[in-house]
Amino acid sequence: GENVEQHPSTLSVQEGDSAVIKCTYSDSASNYFPWYKQELGKRPQLIIDIRSNVGEKKDQRIAVTLNKTAKHFSLHITETQPEDSAVYFCAAKSRDDKIIFGKGTRLHILP
Amino acid sequence: KAGVTQTPRYLIKTRGQQVTLSCSPISGHRSVSWYQQTPGQGLQFLFEYFSETQRNKGNFPGRFSGRQFSNSRSEMNVSTLELGDSALYLCASSMTSGGDTQYFGPGTRLTVL
Repeated sequence: GENVEQHPSTLSVQEGDSAVIKCTYSDSASNYFPWYKQELGKRPQLIIDIRSNVGEKKDQRIAVTLNKTAKHFSLHITETQPEDSAVYFCAAKSRDDKIIFGKGTRLHILP
Repeated sequence: KAGVTQTPRYLIKTRGQQVTLSCSPISGHRSVSWYQQTPGQGLQFLFEYFSETQRNKGNFPGRFSGRQFSNSRSEMNVSTLELGDSALYLCASSMTSGGDTQYFGPGTRLTVL
């Protein structure tokens, strides 16, 4: 079945700098890749997603890139702010329609 | 629209007991998925229900089961609880089976003593 690896597990960046989180997946048939943000004590919420027919998608300070050949996708956050501190999960939708999540990246924005 | 709700929010049980968790999806959503969240393991898929039928299942033992009612509300049951079952159990709803955007509930924090 599908397997999603996420790196790094923890990331600290200075406020205003950029943050990059990377994920790889195993099922070449996967066609949908969402990213969720989970703030402390809250539920995960979708922040951006990308489908396999697109290489990049941007939404304000957040962007996601997808490399289907290498089977990896990345989340980029620019001009980071304190409210970006959270755990971020990548996920891939497998050929049997399961949403498989990575283990998460805890992002710390340093003042 | 009201969001996904889960009850109870917190639960303490002892080993060997069983527990039932409830999830009410967003109105109009017919798919409910369940996930187990533990530190270091992320969100692990348990199962998905759509139109009262289990459509997908993750790699969890048979002690974990679920069902869905005609109003799309779903319950998850764990029998013969083990210490390792302590976790946050999240449900998520989507409009269709295998639907892309998952809307999560607040979760039920289960502690097994």
